[in-house]
Amino acid sequence: DTEVTQTPKHLVMGMTNKKSLKCEQHMGHRAMYWYKQKAKKPPELMFVYSYEKLSINESVPSRFSPECPNSSLLNLHLHALQPEDSALYLCASRWGNTEAFFGQGTRLTVV
Amino acid sequence: KNEVEQSPQNLTAQEGEFITINCSYSVGISALHWLQQHPGGGIVSLFMLSSGKKKHGRLIATINIQEKHSSLHITASHPRDSAVYICAVSLRLSGSARQLTFGSGTQLTVLP
Repeated sequence: DTEVTQTPKHLVMGMTNKKSLKCEQHMGHRAMYWYKQKAKKPPELMFVYSYEKLSINESVPSRFSPECPNSSLLNLHLHALQPEDSALYLCASRWGNTEAFFGQGTRLTVV
Repeated sequence: KNEVEQSPQNLTAQEGEFITINCSYSVGISALHWLQQHPGGGIVSLFMLSSGKKKHGRLIATINIQEKHSSLHITASHPRDSAVYICAVSLRLSGSARQLTFGSGTQLTVLP
């Protein structure tokens, strides 16, 4: 299994809603990443988890809250988002300095 | 200045043409990645290089560590190759964690 699975694929949420994005991999990768990608721009790093511990938080607003409950699962909890947070949210995983595997992304629209 | 510079930003080719996309970087890296992103979002890893050259089907990737430069070549291009091609470099963070720093991408359109 060489897949990173992200759910949901699409999400529309209001500014007062609470929702979660989910990312799952079963390749034994110990580093997992959340990226945010706006249209026609490269992905921007949000968070890195290494061995289930948060390694990097790239000054992301607290309305985004990551969680890594186990080595296969990565969540991104969303609360009180703004319309400018609408973007494609990508999850990725790696083992050390090897090839990175990306999910298909969740396309988020905040209304 | 971006740590990873890609060129060209946009490229239109006729089917069958030989295509080259270039990537330059300004930092010490542990590896360089070529990625492909189709409309709809998902990113696929094409190559990871730390030296020399790799080939997979019609795709060839090369890297010159001394010059901090890499190229992605597509031979006998086909309309299904139309996508965004992204160069990314792997940088060590803390401990064993690494991050990918992305170039701005090259939008390739291959016309039939």
